[in-house]
Amino acid sequence: DIQMTQSPSSVSASMGDRVTITCRASQGISSFLAWYQQKPGKAPKLLIYTASNLQSGVPSRFSGSGSGTDFTLTISSLQPEDFASYYCQQAESFPLTFGGGTKVEI
Amino acid sequence: QLQLQESGPGLVKPSETLSLTCTVSGGSISSGDYYWGWIRQPPGKGLEWIGVIHHRGDTNYSPSLKSRVNISVDTSKRQFSLNLDSVTAADTAVYFCARWSSSSGFFDPWGQGTLVTVSS
Repeated sequence: DIQMTQSPSSVSASMGDRVTITCRASQGISSFLAWYQQKPGKAPKLLIYTASNLQSGVPSRFSGSGSGTDFTLTISSLQPEDFASYYCQQAESFPLTFGGGTKVEI
Repeated sequence: QLQLQESGPGLVKPSETLSLTCTVSGGSISSGDYYWGWIRQPPGKGLEWIGVIHHRGDTNYSPSLKSRVNISVDTSKRQFSLNLDSVTAADTAVYFCARWSSSSGFFDPWGQGTLVTVSS
């Protein structure tokens, strides 16, 4: 199985801050990586797919980069609605696996 | 716009079978490029992939659950279902259904999720 390791597990930030979340795969996954945002009591929402493609309707302050084993999700200027948990997910091979999550809080 | 909705019992007794159904509306369940999947999230924890099914019936399951899981599809009803046998308290979670793109690997959209508690 491909293990996905996210860091940090939590980050304290303020509105307007630039926030970077890292996801590392235990083996190469090309660009088969997605990022999701999850707010309490809600389903995850797709933000980024194939490492760097912004899902339709997602604000441009979100961006993704990386390939192989190391990936990042960047929020360029944190907004109030961005305080949430974020998960990466690899799709290079079954079983599909998620990172442990990063909670972005004030 | 495509929407998914989970349904099923919110309480299951230990050793029994957890059964959930996901109903797809606003689009076809028979789109060639897509699979239909289940993901769960124990309270306060992260996301765990359970498995996916194609409308033609081919499936792929998490190795850790494979011996207890069965996912099926009924295209006439636009539904796919999850059965998880011999449940324990460790299976208590919010269960989500979602569409999975086999070409790009992402889940979208998701159902709202349904909490299933395993308790006597």
